[in-house]
Amino acid sequence: DADVTQTPRNRITKTGKRIMLECSQTKGHDRMYWYRQDPGLGLRLIYYSFDVKDINKGEISDGYSVSRQAQAKFSLSLESAIPNQTALYFCATSAPEPYNEQFFGPGTRLTVL
Amino acid sequence: AQKVTQAQTEISVVEKEDVTLDCVYETRDTTYYLFWYKQPPSGELVFLIRRNSFDEQNEISGRYSWNFQKSTSSFNFTITASQVVDSAVYFCALSEGSSNTGKLIFGQGTTLQVKP
Repeated sequence: DADVTQTPRNRITKTGKRIMLECSQTKGHDRMYWYRQDPGLGLRLIYYSFDVKDINKGEISDGYSVSRQAQAKFSLSLESAIPNQTALYFCATSAPEPYNEQFFGPGTRLTVL
Repeated sequence: AQKVTQAQTEISVVEKEDVTLDCVYETRDTTYYLFWYKQPPSGELVFLIRRNSFDEQNEISGRYSWNFQKSTSSFNFTITASQVVDSAVYFCALSEGSSNTGKLIFGQGTTLQVKP
């Protein structure tokens, strides 16, 4: 089984709808991250969390919120989706210390019409 | 400010050619970490290598090699005798030691196409 899973893998929704993307991991890591990938822009950090009570904004957090339900679960919500949030979303985990590589989930492709 | 630049948007080579993917970074930290990730057509991100700022040794892993030069703030990736399976998007990323957040700053990515 995959160490980092994301659901759904694909989602098409309409402008104004609320969407939740879920991430679960079995690696036992405390650190979890949400990124979005846009063509030509690489991946950009939306939110990150060091534990259930420690959640931080990344560089592009506007329009998003997160919830860390447990060490293993980190959800990303779009309260009112808009078309420019159409992107590929990745969840990642890592062990402590910035030199540790991040392990990524398979991604969720979100389309907002 | 921290930044990673991959100036090559797309590269196309014929199988068995050598190819180098460029990565230039900017940071004020003296301790930082550089990474390369591969994103094949299936979409997942695969970790390839990590390099610490205080270790300028180059590294070779099979057909892959990495050249880290602090003097030019570059961390270039070379694939020797490329194969069709190397076709992917490759990302260079930076993590700064002072922030201790582990968050990655990614370059824009280089799409490599290896033709048979």
